[in-house]
Amino acid sequence: DTGVSQDPRHKITKRGQNVTFRCDPISEHNRLYWYRQTLGQGPEFLTYFQNEAQLEKSRLLSDRFSAERPKGSFSTLEIQRTEQGDSAMYLCASSSGATNEKLFFGSGTQLSVL
Amino acid sequence: EDQVTQSPEALRLQEGESSSLNCSYTVSGLRGLFWYRQDPGKGPEFLFTLYSAGEEKEKERLKATLTKKESFLHITAPKPEDSATYLCAVQTDYKLSFGAGTTVTVRA
Repeated sequence: DTGVSQDPRHKITKRGQNVTFRCDPISEHNRLYWYRQTLGQGPEFLTYFQNEAQLEKSRLLSDRFSAERPKGSFSTLEIQRTEQGDSAMYLCASSSGATNEKLFFGSGTQLSVL
Repeated sequence: EDQVTQSPEALRLQEGESSSLNCSYTVSGLRGLFWYRQDPGKGPEFLFTLYSAGEEKEKERLKATLTKKESFLHITAPKPEDSATYLCAVQTDYKLSFGAGTTVTVRA
């Protein structure tokens, strides 16, 4: 069990640029989640995968955001045409899918949009 | 819509000074209430899951309790290494809805 890995840890970009983050969940975890956290707030749900299927997207996830999980393994979160309001910590979590199973979080990707 | 409210926002304690954090919630169909610890620049780390009113769980200096409307996280005789943000979350389906957290600072 190597834990949930996220890459990069930090990303600085200019407004209008596209960015992509990667998440490698705990192996054999079939559920994968993306959350966003801003300073002083708790994590907010963005989207959720069961294996390769994206089953829910939050209203917070505008059309500029897209997430994929090819083959049900790692996942990517892309933000197109970044805005300053996108600056946040993007957290990935995974779980085995059992009822009431706890989520294991990665260390996050800190995005700063200048 | 699920609502989770944590209080206080911040708590400054002297080493050894016990205290409690509150998490009140409004949800339909609670499946579980989770407590996580988050250190600066890191992701949340799981502490406890509580499933039904009256349930209690302990880990070292931490004890979590649950009623039908709220949960408490008691910190007994805290040490500086207990300094962190403590997050409460409710699960109603497959995802967690988090409160804003309580930032605890323990001074030596």
